[in-house]
Amino acid sequence: GQSLEQPSEVTAVEGAIVQINCTYQTSGFYGLSWYQQHDGGAPTFLSYNALDGLEETGRFSSFLSRSDSYGYLLLQELQMKDSASYFCAAPGDYKLSFGAGTTVTVRA
Amino acid sequence: IAGITQAPTSQILAAGRRMTLRCTQDMRHNAMYWYRQDLGLGLRLIHYSNTAGTTGKGEVPDGYSVSRANTDDFPLTLASAVPSQTSVYFCASSDGGLGGEQFFGPGTRLTVL
Repeated sequence: GQSLEQPSEVTAVEGAIVQINCTYQTSGFYGLSWYQQHDGGAPTFLSYNALDGLEETGRFSSFLSRSDSYGYLLLQELQMKDSASYFCAAPGDYKLSFGAGTTVTVRA
Repeated sequence: IAGITQAPTSQILAAGRRMTLRCTQDMRHNAMYWYRQDLGLGLRLIHYSNTAGTTGKGEVPDGYSVSRANTDDFPLTLASAVPSQTSVYFCASSDGGLGGEQFFGPGTRLTVL
């Protein structure tokens, strides 16, 4: 099975940088995905790291270290619209296992 | 239709009643999934289907059943609803590749009294 741990909440001000860590224990590991979910909305895909290293997509970056069973999502130049929940997820056998989610609150 | 649709948007249901949540996608994705989302527990997989005609159990399948008669539709049935099934239910689909993006529907908010 898969077990993913991430912090429950993070608060930061506009323009700041936030790093959301995700540690995992899996029986078979293929990579790490990240999803964003605004309150009341559907989760939407942000990124997927199959290999170690940093993947950058605009203000968001995602990192994976297989040797440390660890990854993170980096949110830069925070904006109010980035207030949302962020989930790490590990694919396996055509299924995704999700972490419990990190609620990011951006303050003015 | 564009993407995934779910119906109903919300429902209040008496305990013991049967309920089917509908999910339809128009992306011709092979794989479809049902999740429930409860506060503090994230998204938990109920059932999945890798392709039409096949289904599998996820993390929390008890009390739920699914069918996949064709590529587009993946209904979730609660045979006899109980209050612990009060949750937000999301349907999702993907092309089935590892790490591939899952596309989520807007969700159904179900309350069982």
